[in-house]
Amino acid sequence: GQSLEQPSEVTAVEGAIVQINCTYQTSGFYGLSWYQQHDGGAPTFLSYNALDGLEETGRFSSFLSRSDSYGYLLLQELQMKDSASYFCAVGGQAGTALIFGKGTTLSVSS
Amino acid sequence: GAVVSQHPSWVICKSGTSVKIECRSLDFQATTMFWYRQFPKQSLMLMATSNEGSKATYEQGVEKDKFLINHASLTLSTLTVTSAHPEDSSFYICSASPPGLEKLFFGSGTQLSVL
Repeated sequence: GQSLEQPSEVTAVEGAIVQINCTYQTSGFYGLSWYQQHDGGAPTFLSYNALDGLEETGRFSSFLSRSDSYGYLLLQELQMKDSASYFCAVGGQAGTALIFGKGTTLSVSS
Repeated sequence: GAVVSQHPSWVICKSGTSVKIECRSLDFQATTMFWYRQFPKQSLMLMATSNEGSKATYEQGVEKDKFLINHASLTLSTLTVTSAHPEDSSFYICSASPPGLEKLFFGSGTQLSVL
């Protein structure tokens, strides 16, 4: 089977840096994805790591260590609008379904 | 980015009735689409994989006779919740991926409330 573990809640203040960790157990691993979901909305893609290392996209970065079955999402210069749920997900090759973690609720306060 | 359209956004129905949800890929062809269900404050649970021109593949524990999936064209998949009951009330979301891309694009979701 497949399982992903991530913290259920994280709180931070505006301007801070937050790291959301994700550990996974899966067969046939191809990559680790991160999605953001605001209340009542659909998930939106943030990042994808297939290889070890850090991927940076603006204020968000994502890291993967395949040997440790571990990754994280790093959010910098937090803004109130970053308050949302963040899901890590694993999947097979392109065109296959993703299996999502339980999600981390990030609350950003002023 | 690719666009996935889902309709309706919300629906309220009486227990025992059937509800159809449509999912369209607007600017790409999708031989495969995925249907997820999400209860409040919980994760997205994969229900089934919709395959164009063939039968859907259901995840363990999902009743295929209750959740009918049809993928009749390369841009349209439908999910019909048959004989809906209050416990079927949930947020249903479809997704698809353009060929060769590892990321999924999601529809806006359908909030189903069964009275």
